[in-house]
Amino acid sequence: QVQLVESGGGVVQPGRSLRLSCAASGFTFSSYSLHWVRQAPGKGLEWVAVISYDVSNKYYADSVKGRFTISRDNSKSTLYLQMNSLRADDTAVYYCARDRVEFGDYEPYSYYCMDVWGKGTTVTVSS
Amino acid sequence: EIVLTQSPATLSLSPGERATLSCRASQSVSTYLAWYQQKPGQAPRLLIYDASNRATGIPARFSGSGSGTDFTLTISSLEPEDFAVYYCQQRSKWPPLTFGGGTKVEIK
Repeated sequence: QVQLVESGGGVVQPGRSLRLSCAASGFTFSSYSLHWVRQAPGKGLEWVAVISYDVSNKYYADSVKGRFTISRDNSKSTLYLQMNSLRADDTAVYYCARDRVEFGDYEPYSYYCMDVWGKGTTVTVSS
Repeated sequence: EIVLTQSPATLSLSPGERATLSCRASQSVSTYLAWYQQKPGQAPRLLIYDASNRATGIPARFSGSGSGTDFTLTISSLEPEDFAVYYCQQRSKWPPLTFGGGTKVEIK
């Protein structure tokens, strides 16, 4: 079945780096844009970044721009989030999510909403 | 950045009752609005996209309406599994994609 599984979370000191991974299965990974969305403890959802299916476009929230890098390896069906210069307010559960896409005669049409989510991986930034 | 304001923050209802949740945008988002459900300890689940289209597998008791700046998610008759937090999200002007602050539907 369609599945996304995040890994790589943990406890890290402020200023350090961490790389999250998201392994996909059950669908044609290379045809979908993918997102990272995070949720701080007891808080709402915050969109972090998106990468297009063909890696041609990447967009970030202002709160992470210049510190986080989204990437993907379509040969491995894996999404990544490289997080540098981590801060306490980056503490959150990080979800990877698949974009809702419709396939027509030309390029896939992305709805920029998330129709499949992983269970999340927890990142805690603390000294 | 488009700000989404959800109301009420908490809705206390009984099973079988009708739930009406509101999402208001700081500027028009046309119909580019989605709704999600999140239960404790779980990932969100897409319910509605483009204001009124139910996602795959979503029961018919969930419906969405609205356009421009005012949107509504309606649950026609609450089932026990519907007590959760609901978020709206816009894709009209981005980045960033933005979410509302959420409405908690709790058992009265």
